[in-house]
Amino acid sequence: GAGVSQSPRYKVAKRGQDVALRCDPISGHVSLFWYQQALGQGPEFLTYFQNEAQLDKSGLPSDRFFAERPEGSVSTLKIQRTQQEDSAVYLCASSLAGGLMNTEAFFGQGTRLTVV
Amino acid sequence: EDQVTQSPEALRLQEGESSSLNCSYTVSGLRGLFWYRQDPGKGPEFLFTLYSAGEEKEKERLKATLTKKESFLHITAPKPEDSATYLCAVQFDRGSTLGRLYFGRGTQLTVWP
Repeated sequence: GAGVSQSPRYKVAKRGQDVALRCDPISGHVSLFWYQQALGQGPEFLTYFQNEAQLDKSGLPSDRFFAERPEGSVSTLKIQRTQQEDSAVYLCASSLAGGLMNTEAFFGQGTRLTVV
Repeated sequence: EDQVTQSPEALRLQEGESSSLNCSYTVSGLRGLFWYRQDPGKGPEFLFTLYSAGEEKEKERLKATLTKKESFLHITAPKPEDSATYLCAVQFDRGSTLGRLYFGRGTQLTVWP
């Protein structure tokens, strides 16, 4: 596609419910990142994939958060037993190169998660 | 402790009134500094990447500059459509995730006619 696509755009979950957020990166992009953005804050890093390998998950706030990219393209961020503090916008970004190359990251529109 | 600090938090300008936004960072070993624009309800939109002190880049009414510890985003003769939150992010030359971005909290710019 022309850009990074995320779905759903909005998600309301009851506390304790599991949710799955999808990211379709730009075709051919090696690197994929997930970020969490709280209201009025800058995005905070969650996890990073290079192709299908999850090379860094140091930003995941708890073991309730899980991400995968099984075929090196589409990625899913799963949050189990959602809590109110999980309410935020979840952003996906992809970039062309992996490893040591420094390239610009393109962001999707984000998924706004509200836990009630 | 914030590694990337942006100032001011909010800025209101009259159309045509030029100004600058600041981004400073505290960690050494900068690999790259990025400026993004974010409109309400949307993801960040890439504007510029700067790699070394003294580098400058321009796009329409925007000009980004970089020194050893900070970057400025200069806005010349802004228009109402420039209203947005401007985010600064850095990549550091350490660790295994070299593409990871560390963001500031952003400057919310409002340009009124």
